[in-house]
Amino acid sequence: DVKVTQSSRYLVKRTGEKVFLECVQDMDHENMFWYRQDPGLGLRLIYFSYDVKMKEKGDIPEGYSVSREKKERFSLILESASTNQTSMYLCASSSAGTALNEKLFFGSGTQLSVL
Amino acid sequence: DAKTTQPTSMDCAEGRAANLPCNHSTISGNEYVYWYRQIHSQGPQYIIHGLKNNETNEMASLIITEDRKSSTLILPHATLRDTAVYYCIVSTSGTYKYIFGTGTRLKVLA
Repeated sequence: DVKVTQSSRYLVKRTGEKVFLECVQDMDHENMFWYRQDPGLGLRLIYFSYDVKMKEKGDIPEGYSVSREKKERFSLILESASTNQTSMYLCASSSAGTALNEKLFFGSGTQLSVL
Repeated sequence: DAKTTQPTSMDCAEGRAANLPCNHSTISGNEYVYWYRQIHSQGPQYIIHGLKNNETNEMASLIITEDRKSSTLILPHATLRDTAVYYCIVSTSGTYKYIFGTGTRLKVLA
């Protein structure tokens, strides 16, 4: 089975800190995604990457950046954390190509609290 | 991108079929319908997807109307472990936009 591993299940940070959320997948997937999930708003796409060093903005990229130096690892960076970035962050991956292969595999999520 | 509309919540008796509807009236000809579910405190899990034909796998069945403007996910014999939020989304092969929305909260009752 595909495994998508997020480095932390829970994280507490202070306002203004630089925060790194790490995600690793073990199935050689080309595509990786970062979503945030807030009550009443569902999952919203922050950034995605379709190849090493390639990235595209999602629907809510403001305040975030990403890094993909290796195919298996996709990092989400909060340059200066703010309280409105308190959320559940979900990483996902998928294989490129036909729709048959494009189902998303998610990690368990990181609940980030910014105080 | 096509958007989907789902009821906010539904209840289903254990052992009965759970039928979860989804409207996607603006779906394009090359957009697939995907279903995922999210059990509390976990990441979403893929269930099934289809283009225009009905599909069945070990987890569920997907019925897509002939005009493709709506679909129904069927869990044939719901168990308590099927209690989750179910998301219906549409995506175009080769793009990366998966718009999840808020889903349907299904509660399976003993």
